[in-house]
Amino acid sequence: AQSVTQLGSHVSVSEGALVLLRCNYSSSVPPYLFWYVQYPNQGLQLLLKYTSAATLVKGINGFEAEFKKSETSFHLTKPSAHMSDAAEYFCAVVTGANSKLTFGKGITLSVRP
Amino acid sequence: DAGVIQSPRHEVTEMGQEVTLRCKPISGHDYLFWYRQTMMRGLELLIYFNNNVPIDDSGMPEDRFSAKMPNASFSTLKIQPSEPRDSAVYFCASSLAAHRLDSKRPAYEQYFGPGTRLTVT
Repeated sequence: AQSVTQLGSHVSVSEGALVLLRCNYSSSVPPYLFWYVQYPNQGLQLLLKYTSAATLVKGINGFEAEFKKSETSFHLTKPSAHMSDAAEYFCAVVTGANSKLTFGKGITLSVRP
Repeated sequence: DAGVIQSPRHEVTEMGQEVTLRCKPISGHDYLFWYRQTMMRGLELLIYFNNNVPIDDSGMPEDRFSAKMPNASFSTLKIQPSEPRDSAVYFCASSLAAHRLDSKRPAYEQYFGPGTRLTVT
């Protein structure tokens, strides 16, 4: 069965520093992977998605993620953190053939001035 | 497009009362999902529909929970009777079916509503 693992629950970075949020997947078939962001008191918003077209995926707000099959990883990065990036980030994988997604537990990103 | 619409945004009710949460998916979407989010359990899928038909309700916690989708533009999640442990944020999401997408590699992305924050006292 497909699943994702997000280790740790909280990451804190300084404004302008690199953001790295980790996601590892488990899948018996080529996975479709997603990163979503949730700002306080809002719903989840799609950041980017991997559907095997390219291993380096660029998303909104300067985020990108690289699919590494050898490491079963899909880590999210941003070169320079901004205060507005403070939010909760979820990695997700398609499970089955019916558009069902399985989400990780989420990581809270804090950005220090 | 207005996106996924949920109502109410906040609901406070007393234990034992019936609660009905509402969702309007994005027009043309084939799938509708109901999720529950709590600090303790994170984001949980409760039930999802395809073309108004429930496909998988294995995430519905108890018989007190029920969901319907009478037409393509409306769904409800009902809790009767409600209990304090039902307090959570409930999200609705919708997506296109894979075969409806132009791309040879469908994306399956789900679009989420703003959520309903339910407090049961």
